[in-house]
Amino acid sequence: GQQLNQSPQSMFIQEGEDVSMNCTSSSIFNTWLWYKQDPGEGPVLLIALYKAGELTSNGRLTAQFGITRKDSFLNISASIPSDVGIYFCAGRLRVQGAQKLVFGQGTRLTINP
Amino acid sequence: DGGITQSPKYLFRKEGQNVTLSCEQNLNHDAMYWYRQDPGQGLRLIYYSQIVNDFQKGDIAEGYSVSREKKESFPLTVTSAQKNPTAFYLCASSMGDRSPYGNQPQHFGDGTRLSIL
Repeated sequence: GQQLNQSPQSMFIQEGEDVSMNCTSSSIFNTWLWYKQDPGEGPVLLIALYKAGELTSNGRLTAQFGITRKDSFLNISASIPSDVGIYFCAGRLRVQGAQKLVFGQGTRLTINP
Repeated sequence: DGGITQSPKYLFRKEGQNVTLSCEQNLNHDAMYWYRQDPGQGLRLIYYSQIVNDFQKGDIAEGYSVSREKKESFPLTVTSAQKNPTAFYLCASSMGDRSPYGNQPQHFGDGTRLSIL
């Protein structure tokens, strides 16, 4: 089946550092989504990407839809304590006539003050 | 405020018991989804529904059942056949494929944590 490889699995950084994470797959996706999940809560959508090559920013967050449609990255600039959490990528593709969302395993971000 | 409401927040199941998790949305979304999340893993799709009175199995449907009698509601029953039900269950909704706004992101509720007594 379709799989997404998300890396790194975890990151330990100092406050103020920039963060970069990415997702790759052997499958081609028509949409890439990035979510953040806080403990005990549901994922919250950060950025949605709809076109190959698209580069989109949301405040300190920047994400890109890879030109091959098989990968995406998320960058966070000047990290702050509230950035702590688990970040998930999700790729959407059409399977048997229906849109299917495939999730990466998540990147757990920890920030040392 | 519009959103997705899951209840209860925490649920405990006894051996051999069926339990039902509630998911309600007031976003007027056509499509609704149930995911299971295990520690350190991504989300896995259990069931989804693109329209009222229709639903499809996801990747891990065994031991689960759903219904979609109303657009706003998509309850998930964890049956006694599900031998490893302890997990965090997430409900999501989106405008869905049938909408002219198809390919819209899914939005999630805050989850229900199910544990075994």
